[in-house]
Amino acid sequence: KQEVTQIPAALSVPEGENLVLNCSFTDSAIYNLQWFRQDPGKGLTSLLLIQSSQREQTSGRLNASLDKSSGRSTLYIAASQPGDSATYLCAVEGDSGYSTLTFGKGTMLLVSP
Amino acid sequence: DAGVIQSPRHEVTEMGQEVTLRCKPISGHDYLFWYRQTMMRGLELLIYFNNNVPIDDSGMPEDRFSAKMPNASFSTLKIQPSEPRDSAVYFCASSLLGAGGPVGETQYFGPGTRLLVL
Repeated sequence: KQEVTQIPAALSVPEGENLVLNCSFTDSAIYNLQWFRQDPGKGLTSLLLIQSSQREQTSGRLNASLDKSSGRSTLYIAASQPGDSATYLCAVEGDSGYSTLTFGKGTMLLVSP
Repeated sequence: DAGVIQSPRHEVTEMGQEVTLRCKPISGHDYLFWYRQTMMRGLELLIYFNNNVPIDDSGMPEDRFSAKMPNASFSTLKIQPSEPRDSAVYFCASSLLGAGGPVGETQYFGPGTRLLVL
């Protein structure tokens, strides 16, 4: 059974800092890995999707990398802003033929002005 | 498109009562997913549908939970009878494609229904 772990569970940084969020998964048989953002009281919004054949994806100040063989992914946020404060969840989609995502419990990020 | 719509947004009920959560997926999406989120267990998949047909309900916790999708634009998740341990945020999500597509398809989440069973 796939298990996804995110470290740290919470992170507080001052504005302007670069930061890295970590995600690890136990089964490397995945189709893709996604990073989502969840704001308090809201649903999840997809930030980046990395196919299993890819090494990284970039969107603005966000860069996500994937090392499938070691079961790890990182989300790099450059020049953090207070608006980046949210919970970030990592999810993997298995290659069993089913469209199911397995989520980590997330990293709660607080960026202070 | 308005995105995935869920109702109600908040529900407070007493133990033993029936609870019905509703979801309208994004038009044209073939897949619909129901998730439950708690602090202890995180986000868990309960059931998902493809073209209105339930494909995998292995995440449904017990017989008190049931889900239906009578048409492409509507799904319900019912809990009967409800228990305090069912208190959680329930999310509905939809996607256009299934697993393993060459492009990779994300899921679009609704705002969730926050359920409190007293």
